[in-house]
Amino acid sequence: DIQMTQSPSSVSASVGDRVTITCRASQGISSWLAWYQQKPGKAPKLLIYAASSLQSGVPSRFSGSGSGTDFTLTISSLQPEDFATYYCQQANSFPTFGGGTKVEIK
Amino acid sequence: QVQLVESGGGVVQPGRSLRLSCAASGFTFSSYGMHWVRQAPGKGLEWVAVIWYDGSNKYYADSVKGRFTISRDNSKNTLYLQMNSLRAEDTAVYYCARDLVEMATILSLTDYWGQGTLVTVSS
Repeated sequence: DIQMTQSPSSVSASVGDRVTITCRASQGISSWLAWYQQKPGKAPKLLIYAASSLQSGVPSRFSGSGSGTDFTLTISSLQPEDFATYYCQQANSFPTFGGGTKVEIK
Repeated sequence: QVQLVESGGGVVQPGRSLRLSCAASGFTFSSYGMHWVRQAPGKGLEWVAVIWYDGSNKYYADSVKGRFTISRDNSKNTLYLQMNSLRAEDTAVYYCARDLVEMATILSLTDYWGQGTLVTVSS
C-alpha cells in the first residue's frame, strides 16, 4: 500500500493568513492526488483533484501543486469558513488517505 | 444535483452482519464507479471498497477483505455493502462516494459523497 504522510497534523492560523499543508507519498503517484475539506459531522468535500485542478465551485484561494511524491495544498487568505480538517488522497494504487490536518483558529 | 443517501447503519453485535445501502440520484448511476469509505469516531478516513461502473471489478481494503462485499443494482441506482463477521474495529461512519471519472477503468479519485451512516459494533 502507498502511505500518505500529511504535515502538519494541526495548524493554528488567523483570518487572512496563508496556510500551506503538505502531503508526501511513500512512492510516486504521478499527479493522481486529491485534497478534501471536512467539517465536523459532515462528509468530505472535494477541493482539488489531479494535484492542481480546482473542483467546480471551490474558491480560487485554494490551490494545489506537486507531482510524484510531494504535494501541497495552499489557502492563500484564510477565511472563517475554512477552519476544518483537510485530507489528501491518492488513487494511483488502492486509494489511501493522509492522516489529516486540522486548521484551527489562532 | 448529485445526491447520495446512505442507510442501513445501526448497532450490531460482534460477529453479526449488516447491509448498507446508498441510493443515488441526479446523475447516470450506471456510468460511475462507486466507493465505500469509513471514518472511525474521531479518526481519519479509510477507503473500504470500490466497484466498477458496470460491476465488472471489485477491490477491497485488506482490513475488510473476505468479510465485506460491495455490489450494485444499476436498475435501482443503488450501491450496497454487505458486512459480515463484524468486529468492534469496524465501528465507523460509512460513506458512499462517486468516482471522479465517468466509466473509469482504472482506480479513480472521488468527487461527491453521501452524508454517511453510523455502524456501531458492540455487545
